[in-house]
Amino acid sequence: KQEVTQIPAALSVPEGENLVLNCSFTDSAIYNLQWFRQDPGKGLTSLLLIQSSQREQTSGRLNASLDKSSGRSTLYIAASQPGDSATYLCAVNDYKLSFGAGTTVTVRA
Amino acid sequence: GAGVSQSPSNKVTEKGKDVELRCDPISGHTALYWYRQSLGQGLEFLIYFQGNSAPDKSGLPSDRFSAERTGGSVSTLTIQRTQQEDSAVYLCASSLSGGPNTGELFFGEGSRLTVL
Repeated sequence: KQEVTQIPAALSVPEGENLVLNCSFTDSAIYNLQWFRQDPGKGLTSLLLIQSSQREQTSGRLNASLDKSSGRSTLYIAASQPGDSATYLCAVNDYKLSFGAGTTVTVRA
Repeated sequence: GAGVSQSPSNKVTEKGKDVELRCDPISGHTALYWYRQSLGQGLEFLIYFQGNSAPDKSGLPSDRFSAERTGGSVSTLTIQRTQQEDSAVYLCASSLSGGPNTGELFFGEGSRLTVL
């Protein structure tokens, strides 16, 4: 059974600092990995989708890397802003999507 | 509609009653997922529909839970004889395709179920 772990569970940084969020998974036989953002009381919004053949994917201030062999993905958010405050979840697709518990980020103005 | 639509957004029910939660996916999306998110917890997989294939029901926690997807579009999640531990947010998601070719997943806003 795929186990997905996200560390840290919570993170608080001052505005402008870069964010590094980690996701690890136990079974490297995956098709792709997605990063999502969840605001309180809301559904999930897809941020980045990275295929198993890719090593990284970028969108604006966001960059996700994938090291499938070691079972790790990292989401980098550059120059954080208060609007980046949310819970970030990663989901691993090995036929069905398995989610981590998320990292709750607070960016202090 | 433009996105995944779920109804009701909030449901309060008494223990022992049956509830139905509805999901209307994005038009043309063949894959549909149901997840459950309890307070402070991650997303728990419930069921996955892909086209006309038999659904993957491996995540349903008990036989009180069932789901169907009519005409490859709208899905209904039914919980019979609700228990207090069923209280959670039930999230539906859809994608253009599933399995190895799963693309970007689009989520609804969820249905918050409270069982008194």
